[in-house]
This record gives sequence, C-alpha cells and structure tokens, in this order.
Amino acid sequence: DAKTTQPTSMDCAEGRAANLPCNHSTISGNEYVYWYRQIHSQGPQYIIHGLKNNETNEMASLIITEDRKSSTLILPHATLRDTAVYYCIVRAPFGNEKLTFGTGTRLTIIP
Amino acid sequence: GAVVSQHPSWVICKSGTSVKIECRSLDFQATTMFWYRQFPKQSLMLMATSNEGSKATYEQGVEKDKFLINHASLTLSTLTVTSAHPEDSSFYICSARTGSSGNTIYFGEGSWLTVV
Repeated sequence: DAKTTQPTSMDCAEGRAANLPCNHSTISGNEYVYWYRQIHSQGPQYIIHGLKNNETNEMASLIITEDRKSSTLILPHATLRDTAVYYCIVRAPFGNEKLTFGTGTRLTIIP
Repeated sequence: GAVVSQHPSWVICKSGTSVKIECRSLDFQATTMFWYRQFPKQSLMLMATSNEGSKATYEQGVEKDKFLINHASLTLSTLTVTSAHPEDSSFYICSARTGSSGNTIYFGEGSWLTVV
C-alpha cells in the first residue's frame, strides 16, 4: 500500500510556481522521499529525492518538513509541458526496495 | 539521469500468441529491474522484481507462468507475456535501479500491448 497522501488534482497558472504537497506521516527513518511524474502515455520520469534536507536540481525543489511527515515539490516556473500526474513515494534506497505508486496528483498547467 | 529503454514501444498480437518486451539500461548496470503494468486511468502496479542471474520475485496475484521474466545480464531484462488474451492488453513499464545517487530507480518509456 502507498504510504503517502496527495491531493487528487491541482491547477496552476503558466509561469507561476506549482507547489505540490505530500503527506507521509508514517515514514521510517531510513526512507527517502522520491518524486516522479508521468506525462500521458509515457513512463514515469524521475524528478528529485531527499532524506531530510531540502533539495534542488534543475527541475524542481523539494522541501521536507523537520519532522519529515510531509513534503512539498516546487516547480518554480510552471510551463504547459509540466502538465502530468505527480507521484510522491517513500522508499528505503536499498537493494530490492521497490517503488509503490499511489494515485498521485494530476497537475494541470493553465495557459 | 540514467537511461532505460524499452522495445517495442507498442505491439499488437493475436490472442493465444506470446510477445516479448525488452528492457535495457543503456548507460549503467542494473542488478535489479522492476516490471509494472498500468491500465487506463489507473496507477502503476508492480508485477515483479528481477535480479540479474536469479529468478524474479512476483507480486501477489501475478501469474509467474504467464508473465515470464528473464534478467540474464546487467543491462537487459525481458518480459514475455505467454498465451496472451485481450485482458492482458495494457501499458507495460520497466524500471532499473542504479547503484549510485541513492539507488535511484529510472523508468523506460513503456510498451503498449494490444491483444486482438
């Protein structure tokens, strides 16, 4: 079972920052928070992951609360191509530890 | 990021025949690969985990004799859908785990299977 809770859908205006929340209140100490997105009819695309510190890369920023029970993915300047389903997943980065997908957030970027 | 490639991107086969889907890690060695299935408007469902050189571990409810998985090398895993039926029509996606960057998992482009 997925260990995360995300809103079903969100809209964001083009050019604005998209902030996608995720609750993971039962996260274990060795579990990371991973974010992926899936554009229609494609395989999921890795975005970012983190353990407890905030992370930033060329795609997005990940803000993890101090108690690690929730996080927010930030797309700083959303474009139409960012329209996708975004999945927040917790996973321990060892061996065969798998990614279990929930229902994700369907983000729609509005022109 | 690391590149995972699947082939074919889409395939149509007749009911009762078998079809093979390949998954390759192009720029890294993947000791572990995962196979998922996704039906329209649903999330990804893990089918099995495969480790190079050993038998795959199937999720509950997935028929191992119907969905044959082979992971013979560190860069190639194959999924064979045997005796395919229309209800097997789906989007099949593989993924592979790198040994670096927190053991991040990268996904292939997916393969659409239509059984007629």
